[in-house]
Amino acid sequence: SQQGEEDPQALSIQEGENATMNCSYKTSINNLQWYRQNSGRGLVHLILIRSNEREKHSGRLRVTLDTSKKSSSLLITASRAADTASYFCATDALGTSGSRLTFGEGTQLTVNP
Amino acid sequence: DTEVTQTPKHLVMGMTNKKSLKCEQHMGHRAMYWYKQKAKKPPELMFVYSYEKLSINESVPSRFSPECPNSSLLNLHLHALQPEDSALYLCASSPGWKAYEQYFGPGTRLTVT
Repeated sequence: SQQGEEDPQALSIQEGENATMNCSYKTSINNLQWYRQNSGRGLVHLILIRSNEREKHSGRLRVTLDTSKKSSSLLITASRAADTASYFCATDALGTSGSRLTFGEGTQLTVNP
Repeated sequence: DTEVTQTPKHLVMGMTNKKSLKCEQHMGHRAMYWYKQKAKKPPELMFVYSYEKLSINESVPSRFSPECPNSSLLNLHLHALQPEDSALYLCASSPGWKAYEQYFGPGTRLTVT
């Protein structure tokens, strides 16, 4: 069953603006990952944050994790048209090996030039 | 080579056909995955192979039959599928059994008529 929920479901912004997506999950986790998927194609791994980390940066990406609220956010700064894609969070439940990822429902981001 | 390849890109099959999807990676990864993704939905895990052994089967109907002939190859044999099985089938790999990022192939778009 899917344990991740994301909001908003869809987000439309102008190039140069920041985009924030949120993810909530239900069970305790080992790690939380974010993936990007361009229309009808495979997923690309963006960033992994471990359950004992609170914030992580990678280029224009900033991820936060609040395990007490079972939530995470992905911030994309200075967005570009090429950032247009669906973004999914994925969790692996505590006590499992880590191979069983459960994906959230995803946020469709549109960046208008 | 950091790529996961999948063939074919598109497949149309009748409900009485037998076909196979193929996935290949040459990154030395020891875990490989099959996911099913319906339109505007997140990927759903079907099978996990670890060190060429089936380790997770998410209660997938027997009309889907996975096979891992060696550490680089993963097949999904299809037989007597239903129209509701039409979806994007994604293959992924990761370095090992534990919580690593997964590398996804571009997917096979399957249509069952």
